[in-house]
Amino acid sequence: QITLKESGPTLVKPTQTLTLTCTFSGFSISATGVAVGWNRQPPGRALEWLALIYWDDDKHYSPSLKSRLTITKDTSKNQVVLTMTNMDPVDTATYYCAHRHTSLGRGVMFDRWGQGILVTASS
Amino acid sequence: QSVLTQPPSVSAAPGQKVTISCSGSTSNIGNNYVSWYRQLPGTAPQLLIYDDNKRPSGIPDRFSGSKSGTSATLGITGLQTGDEAEYYCGTWDTSLRALLFGGGTELTVL
Repeated sequence: QITLKESGPTLVKPTQTLTLTCTFSGFSISATGVAVGWNRQPPGRALEWLALIYWDDDKHYSPSLKSRLTITKDTSKNQVVLTMTNMDPVDTATYYCAHRHTSLGRGVMFDRWGQGILVTASS
Repeated sequence: QSVLTQPPSVSAAPGQKVTISCSGSTSNIGNNYVSWYRQLPGTAPQLLIYDDNKRPSGIPDRFSGSKSGTSATLGITGLQTGDEAEYYCGTWDTSLRALLFGGGTELTVL
């Protein structure tokens, strides 16, 4: 059974760096075809994709946020970490990590999601 | 404003059928597979449809997906009050090299 859970600070100050950790079970990030992505959703608004990392360390970022994001994986800890620099109040959102496996379909989609963590950027 | 356009809201009576559209372009829907997600209030999104028209295990056949050109459609038959949720389409954009989500459609079962 695949599960994912996000952890990190729920309150950050503007200009600070946000570090979020996705801890998962039921799969290995080193297995061929596996990927973990990050998405966010501001209160009352739509989903927004942020970043994606594959088993072979291939990484993809949202073009509009690429300069602020870094995604890494720790295979031994079953974790994927997302850092976002220079946080601003507009970055207030629920952040979700999610699982993808290339064998599950030819399109890019997430079949399992974490419960999400609400991060507020405010002074 | 999202690159993928969805109607903000749709509604129908219990037992009826509803469709939700997702409009894009050749760089996204026109040349990439579409997925659909349901998000119940206060919960994480759940995958309903992938690769335009495939259902993950556990998703009832009341849910269906189709695509024509640069538009995709989610269909839900036999509507239940438990189907009230926000629905999102998603697909890769080859030009942007980014995963896109639509703006979301709120389904109300009257």
